[in-house]
Amino acid sequence: DAKTTQPPSMDCAEGRAANLPCNHSTISGNEYVYWYRQIHSQGPQYIIHGLKNNETNEMASLIITEDRKSSTLILPHATLRDTAVYYCIVRSLRANNNDMRFGAGTRLTVKP
Amino acid sequence: DVKVTQSSRYLVKRTGEKVFLECVQDMDHENMFWYRQDPGLGLRLIYFSYDVKMKEKGDIPEGYSVSREKKERFSLILESASTNQTSMYLCASSPPPGRSNQPQHFGDGTRLSIL
Repeated sequence: DAKTTQPPSMDCAEGRAANLPCNHSTISGNEYVYWYRQIHSQGPQYIIHGLKNNETNEMASLIITEDRKSSTLILPHATLRDTAVYYCIVRSLRANNNDMRFGAGTRLTVKP
Repeated sequence: DVKVTQSSRYLVKRTGEKVFLECVQDMDHENMFWYRQDPGLGLRLIYFSYDVKMKEKGDIPEGYSVSREKKERFSLILESASTNQTSMYLCASSPPPGRSNQPQHFGDGTRLSIL
């Protein structure tokens, strides 16, 4: 599975958009990009995933560059409850390799 | 919404005890997983299962075993607990490999302390 690189920490003002970058320059054609977040003392929460097209759901938007070497998770109107560690994961579709490889992630702090 | 429920949020046990961690999912998922999460080490896969009565070792299976008697339930067993098994344990489930682009969904974790 491709390795990902994320900044260790970011701050965002409440009500503003939070843009979390992820670099995955070694991604291969059949690998999806997933985003999770983990709020202190809870399990990881799935946010969104995509292959090559931009995706949007009720939580966030995922923008994947055309060459697929990087992506950005966008929280359009960050709230204090969005303070968490955000993980970007790239995973292949091999049938017998179904686990998720979490790195260090980005610690997002939303400030009032 | 997918619901993955772990039986305990916090658990304290003694060295040498046999410890059972239970996980139940309500989405009829074939795949279930057990991870442990430690500071600086991220999530590490202990065991996983693709079907009832089926199990596969992950990256760190030593000192652990698992049981999957029913599709919705996946148990992690610490045969003889040791202090280095103090950790946050996370259970996850997902649809089968044929739909493997689908994400895993996690429970809220069990914070286990071995004294």
